[in-house]
Amino acid sequence: ETGVTQTPRHLVMGMTNKKSLKCEQHLGHNAMYWYKQSAKKPLELMFVYSLEERVENNSVPSRFSPECPNSSHLFLHLHTLQPEDSALYLCASSQGQESTDTQYFGPGTRLTVL
Amino acid sequence: GDSVTQMEGPVTLSEEAFLTINCTYTATGYPSLFWYVQYPGEGLQLLLKATKADDKGSNKGFEATYRKETTSFHLEKGSVQVSDSAVYFCALSRYQKVTFGTGTKLQVIP
Repeated sequence: ETGVTQTPRHLVMGMTNKKSLKCEQHLGHNAMYWYKQSAKKPLELMFVYSLEERVENNSVPSRFSPECPNSSHLFLHLHTLQPEDSALYLCASSQGQESTDTQYFGPGTRLTVL
Repeated sequence: GDSVTQMEGPVTLSEEAFLTINCTYTATGYPSLFWYVQYPGEGLQLLLKATKADDKGSNKGFEATYRKETTSFHLEKGSVQVSDSAVYFCALSRYQKVTFGTGTKLQVIP
């Protein structure tokens, strides 16, 4: 595997379910990100991890819970979601957090909350 | 705060037409500027970037010049192909934060 991978690619869940999204990067990067992509809205940065420590949490509801066990893996744990949480969730990584660093994205998980 | 404004799409062009997608930004200091592209069913990938004023980023026939005086980073391509059909995102990066525009969908018809 190369680059950034995400599983599952598609997820349908009820409002009372608990599920997790997984992201893995094979690039040796030190920073990882979760974004939410909704139609006709800019990408919303949710969480940033640098060297496995959370450095940013953009006022994301507590029903989203991130976990970064090591520099290659990032999880997003989901519970009691709302229908408006349906979106494409993108994971990204970068070498560091310099302004010149490029972010490398995974293909995303398409989440539908019923 | 920082912001990025790009033209709304969709933009529909015939093959071999000239492409311009406008992008302007608001930020203090000296951000880095990026264009990312998202093909159907995929994540975003870097198309080109420029890290200081007057720099020109280029890749796959696409170009954009960092214009600080007009706070712009317009994307251009001289002759588009059907395979260029995708969503294009302008972004700026400053102080460990990346701000994206809403994206412009490009459709190229044969």
